[in-house]
Amino acid sequence: KAGVTQTPRYLIKTRGQQVTLSCSPISGHRSVSWYQQTPGQGLQFLFEYFSETQRNKGNFPGRFSGRQFSNSRSEMNVSTLELGDSALYLCASSQGAQVGNTIYFGEGSWLTVV
Amino acid sequence: AQSVTQLGSHVSVSEGALVLLRCNYSSSVPPYLFWYVQYPNQGLQLLLKYTTGATLVKGINGFEAEFKKSETSFHLTKPSAHMSDAAEYFCAVSTLGNQGGKLIFGQGTELSVKP
Repeated sequence: KAGVTQTPRYLIKTRGQQVTLSCSPISGHRSVSWYQQTPGQGLQFLFEYFSETQRNKGNFPGRFSGRQFSNSRSEMNVSTLELGDSALYLCASSQGAQVGNTIYFGEGSWLTVV
Repeated sequence: AQSVTQLGSHVSVSEGALVLLRCNYSSSVPPYLFWYVQYPNQGLQLLLKYTTGATLVKGINGFEAEFKKSETSFHLTKPSAHMSDAAEYFCAVSTLGNQGGKLIFGQGTELSVKP
């Protein structure tokens, strides 16, 4: 069974641009969540989608948005990039039906903002 | 609100020695607890999780953790460290209120293993 797949793995953007990251969950998983990892702030929850609806949201500005498609694939978008947005963005998926379901992570997308 | 505290950002042990990584949580409702490992330039891999039932949980690669409600702890142990255990370890909590898709992570503990 294929794991969580994230694209692109590495990208460099200029301040003020926008970026879209993509995530394909494990087959059959309906929940997709996104996390930002930085050396200073650690792992922080961005948002979670379940059956195309945002179910949980972290404490990030509105520049960070996401969506989920009917096939459970998800994208996250960051507009008006700032230097501080440089981070590893991790996507995770789970069956999502109940708390305690194992959450599986992808390899992440490394974003550098210059 | 839930929170997780990992005591010690860096832990160093000798190969063959006991590994003990500490995790304390704060939650007003029954928690679900997880330990993940992250190798350099990789994502997170689940080591083990506690949901309900037996409080001593066994995971992959010889790791185990014990849920102690009275101490609000979920420490990770391994009897004998291997060089391949060098990585960063994260403790995380999830609760019913989060409907399962949201994990709150600790700051992580970097484990070094000396030959």
